Amino acid sequence: QITLKESGPTVVKPTQTLTLTCTFSGFSLSTSGVSVGWIRQPPGKALEWLGIISWDDDKHYSPSLKSRLTITKDTSKNQVVLTLTNMEPVDTATYYCAFGHNWFDPWGQGTLVTVFS
Amino acid sequence: SSVLTQPPSVSVAPGRTARITCGGNNIAIRSVHWYQQKPGQAPVLVMYYDTDRPSGIPDRFTGSNSGITATLTISRVEAGDEADYYCQVWDSGSAHRGVFGGGTKLTVL
Repeated sequence: QITLKESGPTVVKPTQTLTLTCTFSGFSLSTSGVSVGWIRQPPGKALEWLGIISWDDDKHYSPSLKSRLTITKDTSKNQVVLTLTNMEPVDTATYYCAFGHNWFDPWGQGTLVTVFS
Repeated sequence: SSVLTQPPSVSVAPGRTARITCGGNNIAIRSVHWYQQKPGQAPVLVMYYDTDRPSGIPDRFTGSNSGITATLTISRVEAGDEADYYCQVWDSGSAHRGVFGGGTKLTVL
């Protein structure tokens, strides 16, 4: 059974850097073909694809966030880390990590991050 | 680049058929995936590769992709199907990114 869970701060200040960790079980990110993605959802709004990282460390980012977003993996810890710099109030959202590449299944429960001074 | 267009809302009576559309450039040549999201919950995959249903998803859910529109069809709609539905594609062009539609709120009358 594959499970994922996001963790990190619930509140960050404007201009700060957000670091979120996705801890997963049921698969290894060293296995060929495996990927983990990040998706976010502002309150009351639609899902937004952020980026993915694959088993071979291949990464793809949303063009609109590419200058601020970094996704890394720690295979030994079964973790994927999202880093988003220069946070703004518009970055307030529930952040999800999910298993997959072309599609995502399953998803973590999500974590709400509020950007607030 | 891909932009996916969904109707903001669809309403249907219980027992009837709901059709949720997803439009976009060249969508017929892309694989479309669908997610169901109920309030306060994470999205759940209900359809992938246009027509494939994950295990555990009722066969009342079917998908199609033709012309300029992909469609998620829910037959014999139940109250428990009320949710937001999102389509998604993988844009394998120069951008190499995923794209979600704007979502459709399905209301069961």
